Amino acid sequence: SQTIHQWPATLVQPVGSPLSLECTVEGTSNPNLYWYRQAAGRGLQLLFYSVGIGQISSEVPQNLSASRPQDRQFILSSKKLLLSDSGFYLCAWSGAAGYNSPLHFGNGTRLTVT
Amino acid sequence: GDSVTQMEGPVTLSEEAFLTINCTYTATGYPSLFWYVQYPGEGLQLLLKATKADDKGSNKGFEATYRKETTSFHLEKGSVQVSDSAVYFCALDRGSTLGRLYFGRGTQLTVWP
Repeated sequence: SQTIHQWPATLVQPVGSPLSLECTVEGTSNPNLYWYRQAAGRGLQLLFYSVGIGQISSEVPQNLSASRPQDRQFILSSKKLLLSDSGFYLCAWSGAAGYNSPLHFGNGTRLTVT
Repeated sequence: GDSVTQMEGPVTLSEEAFLTINCTYTATGYPSLFWYVQYPGEGLQLLLKATKADDKGSNKGFEATYRKETTSFHLEKGSVQVSDSAVYFCALDRGSTLGRLYFGRGTQLTVWP
């Protein structure tokens, strides 16, 4: 069966510090991968998606970047965190077929920038 | 553009009450529609889905019917339990090959014993 792992579960970082969140998927090949952010009191915002190794698309301009160094690994990064980067970050995957393939989410990372 | 609008919460109910969470959408083409649930401290889980007009998705006592004429996908449950307390998200898939979902803002449901 397929599983998705996301870590760390919680993170407190000072403003201006770097960030690296990692997500890995097991039990499937060539998944579509996604990073979402859920800010307090707001819905889910798609930040990045990837359809293959090294292929990253950004949905909104921001202080963050994403990379996919391996087929089932997706990394969210920042060189210098801002207060506005605080939120709940969710990694997800879907089948390569895409359409009608549901999203499977990790348990999320609660990031607090102080 | 494509979007999803959910009723604002929080929704507070007593156990065994009837639940309705409204969801309407705007989309071109023929999107698929989903309800996801997020329990405290966890990621989202797919609750149910419908892929074409008049389809009814159902799971764990929850139901939602894809109404194209009213562009709606309201979530219902006849008798809620304390364990149903969670945040519920309505979402649509515009039908591209990517499978990219547009989510509503979520509705917090709290059920009291």
